[in-house]
Order: sequence, then C-alpha cells, then structure tokens
Amino acid sequence: KNEVEQSPQNLTAQEGEFITINCSYSVGISALHWLQQHPGGGIVSLFMLSSGKKKHGRLIATINIQEKHSSLHITASHPRDSAVYICAVRSSGGGADGLTFGKGTHLIIQP
Amino acid sequence: EPEVTQTPSHQVTQMGQEVILRCVPISNHLYFYWYRQILGQKVEFLVSFYNNEISEKSEIFDDQFSVERPDGSNFTLKIRSTKLEDSAMYFCASSDRQAYGYTFGSGTRLTVV
Repeated sequence: KNEVEQSPQNLTAQEGEFITINCSYSVGISALHWLQQHPGGGIVSLFMLSSGKKKHGRLIATINIQEKHSSLHITASHPRDSAVYICAVRSSGGGADGLTFGKGTHLIIQP
Repeated sequence: EPEVTQTPSHQVTQMGQEVILRCVPISNHLYFYWYRQILGQKVEFLVSFYNNEISEKSEIFDDQFSVERPDGSNFTLKIRSTKLEDSAMYFCASSDRQAYGYTFGSGTRLTVV
C-alpha cells in the first residue's frame, strides 16, 4: 500500500512569494497528480506527471521517480492561489487503479 | 471544457435509509471512480469501474455499497442502509484510457442524521 506524505501541512505566505509544496511516496507509481481543492470542496486537477517537469502558467510540477518525490511550485503567488493542494498517486498498473491521496497542504496567500 | 456532473450537491438522509448519488462522467472517458472525503480528512478511494464492471474496490466499499452504470451515461453509487459515519463528501471522477484526462465532479455532500 502506498503512503503519500506532504509537507508542509500548512503554509502562509505573502503575495508575490515563491511557494514550494513537497510530496513523497513509498512505493513505485505509474502517475502522480497534483490537485487543488477550494473551500467549497470541489477538486480540480492541476497536473498529471509520470516523469520530468510540467508547467502551466505560474505553476510548475516536478517529479523524481528514483527518489519517489515530487514538488509543486507557484511563482508570483497571489491571494487567489489560496487553497488546499493535494498530491495523489496511482500505483503501477492500468487506469482502473484508484488514486491514493496525501492529506493536503493548506496554503494561504496574504495580500 | 467537459465536466463531470454530480447530483444532488447536498443530500440529508436519515440513518438506515438508502441513498443514490448520481454522476454523469465525461462522455468519451472509459474509467469511472468514486471517492469520499470525511470532513477534515483526506480523500479516500472507494471503487473504480471499467467495461461495465468493478475493476478495483477499497476495504471501505463493503456490501452496503454498490455502483451501476444503468444507461451508458449515468454512473451511480448506492448506499443501502446509511450510517452516521457515511456522512462525507462523495466525489465522482472519470478518466480516459491512459488516465491523462482525470476529471473530478464537484461532489455530493451527504449528511446522515
């Protein structure tokens, strides 16, 4: 069973700061997802990674398969980035495998 | 952009009653999932569904739970006899063949009283 750990659990930063959220997992995976959950509860998929790095706007996600570690970076953070960011992994296997989730990182960006 | 639609957004039910949570996945997706999130806790996998049958289920998904794709578009989760501890947000999700396009619905908040 895969264990997914995120750090930090809570992060408060000032607008404009560079943000890093970390995720580590215990067992080999076929894919890693970064998700965003707003206070209303809805979950939005930000990235799916199986190797390397992806960038979308101010968001960058990287993964190191050998070290079983991924990071999510936010450049030029803004109050609207305030949300819970969740790392979730799919174990090696097909698309039918469910995701295993981390507990999330609660990010607050202050103006 | 295509969406996964869940109804209702909020349901209150009495303990022991049956509930059906409904989802309309993205039309060309092949894999369908149910997850739940108890308030203040992490999201947990319940079940995945592919080719009209259950592919994988977690230990949470016991005999009280069932899933169905009755008409080729809807995907439902039934809880036969609800317990207080079933109170949670239930998320439906769907993905394409390689699970690249993984999309969550906005959730159904189930409150069992």
